[in-house]
Amino acid sequence: EAGVTQSPTHLIKTRGQQATLRCSPISGHTSVYWYQQALGLGLQFLLWYDEGEERNRGNFPPRFSGRQFPNYSSELNVNALELEDSALYLCASSLGLRANQPQHFGDGTRLSIL
Amino acid sequence: AQTVTQSQPEMSVQEAETVTLSCTYDTSENNYYLFWYKQPPSRQMILVIRQEAYKQQNATENRFSVNFQKAAKSFSLKISDSQLGDTAMYFCAFMKHEGYSTLTFGKGTMLLVSP
Repeated sequence: EAGVTQSPTHLIKTRGQQATLRCSPISGHTSVYWYQQALGLGLQFLLWYDEGEERNRGNFPPRFSGRQFPNYSSELNVNALELEDSALYLCASSLGLRANQPQHFGDGTRLSIL
Repeated sequence: AQTVTQSQPEMSVQEAETVTLSCTYDTSENNYYLFWYKQPPSRQMILVIRQEAYKQQNATENRFSVNFQKAAKSFSLKISDSQLGDTAMYFCAFMKHEGYSTLTFGKGTMLLVSP
């Protein structure tokens, strides 16, 4: 079974640009989660999509947005990039809304802002 | 809001020894889940073990076991017979049982297993 896949592996942008990160969940999983892992800050929850709907959002500004497609894959968009957006962005998927369904993580996208 | 605290930024242990990683959390919820995730240098986060708060019995997965103290809001991970492949960042995480709840992570403990 293929795991959670994320693309690209690395992304280099400059301040003010826009970045798009992509995630494909495990087959059969309907929920996709996005996390930011910045150095020294651990993992911070960004967004959660299930069945195409945004279910929950972390404490991030509106320039962080995303969507989920009918095939359950997801995009994370970050507009007006700032230096502090440099981080590893992790995507995870699970079978659905129930808390007892474990989240399976991808390898992440390393976003570097110059 | 929930908070998760891992007070040990780094720990080291020798192969075959036992090590315990600490985690405390703060919540007003009664029903919740607790997790330990492992992130090796290759980056992919892997679920190590999960505990349901309403279960008194501590969870065990092979060499990994937890000491769950609900009253003290403590959730430590014990790794027995440590192996070189256990070298990784370990994250403790909390999730409410109901609603559109999400994982709240601690800042992690870097465990280095040496020969």
